[in-house]
This record gives sequence, C-alpha cells and structure tokens, in this order.
Amino acid sequence: GQQLNQSPQSMFIQEGEDVSMNCTSSSIFNTWLWYKQDPGEGPVLLIALYKAGELTSNGRLTAQFGITRKDSFLNISASIPSDVGIYFCAGENYGGSQGNLIFGKGTKLSVKP
Amino acid sequence: NAGVMQNPRHLVRRRGQEARLRCSPMKGHSHVYWYRQLPEEGLKFMVYLQKENIIDESGMPKERFSAEFPKEGPSILRIQQVVRGDSAAYFCASSPGEDYGYTFGSGTRLTVV
Repeated sequence: GQQLNQSPQSMFIQEGEDVSMNCTSSSIFNTWLWYKQDPGEGPVLLIALYKAGELTSNGRLTAQFGITRKDSFLNISASIPSDVGIYFCAGENYGGSQGNLIFGKGTKLSVKP
Repeated sequence: NAGVMQNPRHLVRRRGQEARLRCSPMKGHSHVYWYRQLPEEGLKFMVYLQKENIIDESGMPKERFSAEFPKEGPSILRIQQVVRGDSAAYFCASSPGEDYGYTFGSGTRLTVV
C-alpha cells in the first residue's frame, strides 16, 4: 500500500533555531497536510496543501507541496518552546475516498530554552 | 462551540471483553472518520462514515471491529473480544463534507489487560 517516509524521526534544537522536516512517497498524493500532536491529544491541522508546487505559510510555519506530488516539507522558523511536539505529514490516498489519509510516522521535536 | 468529543478518554478492558468507543462530531458535521494510533506510530485510517452509511471501511480489520454512525446520536466504534494487540489510541475526526481540514478529537486510549 501507499506509505509516507517522514524524516527526521526526531530533532533536538535550541530555541530560536529554524527547523526543517520532510515527507516523501513513491506514490502521488492529491493533498498534503501537516499536523502537530501534543501528548495525550489529537492531531491539530497546521497547513493544508492542495496544488503541486504550492507554498503556504501559517505564521512561523511554511510548507510546500512538491512539484512531483510525491513529497512535501515543513519549515518552522525561530523555534520557541511551545513548538515541542510530534509533527505528522499526511497525504490524501489518491483514488481513495476523501477521508482516507495516509500518515507519516512523525517527527518528534524537542526545543531547549 | 464544542469540538469533536470522544469518550471515554481512557478505557481498560480484559481480553475477551467488548470495547465501545463513542464520538460526537462537531455541530453541523455529518462526516466521521476513525483512525488508530499505535505507540510511536502515525495514525492509520480505519473507516469513514456519513450518517447511516459506511463510505469506506478499507482500513477496518475484517473481524471483531465494526462502526456505525446512526441518524441520531454519536458514532460508535465497537471492538468485540478484545486482544492485547488492540491496545492503542483511537481517534475520531469530523468534517462538514468536502473540506480536508477535518478536526480530530482527543482520542480514546484503550488498554487491554
């Protein structure tokens, strides 16, 4: 089946540093989504990307939908302690039902004050 | 303006018992999705329902698992004769329709002992 490879698995950074993480797949996706999950909570949508090549920002977050439709990256600028959490990419299962998202395994972000 | 409500938050069941997980979607949302998350993993799609209909159950195990979203009341994910491998966090999400920014609940953490 379709799989998303998300990297890195974990990151330990200093407050104020920029962060970059990405997702790749051998399959095409119609839509790429980036979520953040805090411990004990459900994922919260950060950015949604709907068109190949699209670059979208949400505050200090920027994400891009790869031109080949097989990858996406998320950048966080000037990290702060509350950025700590697990970041997941997700892609719409091309040809599947609209609700069928494929999730990466997550990037665990730790920020040292 | 409540979000997606899931209960219980934590559920402990002995092997062989039944587990019932409930999800009340956001007001005005008629589409419900269930996902399962194992420790250190991303979310895995299970089933997509609209009121009284199962749209996509391609991620549901063939046995012991069932889901419903009746005309009145919450969506229910039912796991019969639970086994240790069913221990996971189960998340529900809802959307008003074609929008991919669907909202997740805080999840039910099922522990089978």
